[in-house]
Amino acid sequence: EVQLVESGGGLVQPGASLKLSCVASGFTFSDYWMSWVRQTPGKTMEWIGDIKYDGSYTNYAPSLKNRFTISRDNAKSTLYLQMSNVRSEDTATYYCTRDGTLWGQGASVTVSS
Amino acid sequence: DVVLTQTPVSLLISLGGQASISCRSSQSLVHSNGNTYLHWYLQKPGQSPQLLIYQVSNRFSGIPDRFSGSGSGTDFTLKISRVEPEDLGVYYCLQRTHNPWTFGGGTKLELK
Repeated sequence: EVQLVESGGGLVQPGASLKLSCVASGFTFSDYWMSWVRQTPGKTMEWIGDIKYDGSYTNYAPSLKNRFTISRDNAKSTLYLQMSNVRSEDTATYYCTRDGTLWGQGASVTVSS
Repeated sequence: DVVLTQTPVSLLISLGGQASISCRSSQSLVHSNGNTYLHWYLQKPGQSPQLLIYQVSNRFSGIPDRFSGSGSGTDFTLKISRVEPEDLGVYYCLQRTHNPWTFGGGTKLELK
């Protein structure tokens, strides 16, 4: 089955770091650009960034570039999102997506003390 | 960043009726390669977004022909005819012509 499964979400304190993972299956992961998108509790959708199929290039939303890092391990068919110095406004559901056509079920992140 | 303005914010439709959602962009979404990367999604309650229409008017795999997209430049429309219960949820437009990708604010389709 073609699918994306995110993990690593949870409750995290302000200023901490968190790493989300997205495991792909059912397709050749290394053939695709991959992206992260988040949805706030108010349902606003925000694109975080993307990464080239071989991991050689990344592109970020300017507002998040300094705190978020996207990486991938093609041998493990896994996409990552490293979040640092998290803030309350980072509270959201985080989705990985392949080309915008295939989406994971989302990982919920709550930033609170 | 490109701003996508979706209207209306909510829509009350009877089963079997027709719905129309507008998505207007703050700048042209025609890419330098001539393509227009404006897509439409439906997010059903508790689910991830699902792609309905890509590049303005192309239905994604498995999407019924009750869904149609049109428009050009900065002005785009999604039409849903013969609304069925499974069409309920929040519709979003997304542009991928310009970095960063940006989404419309969403339109919630509910039953009258």
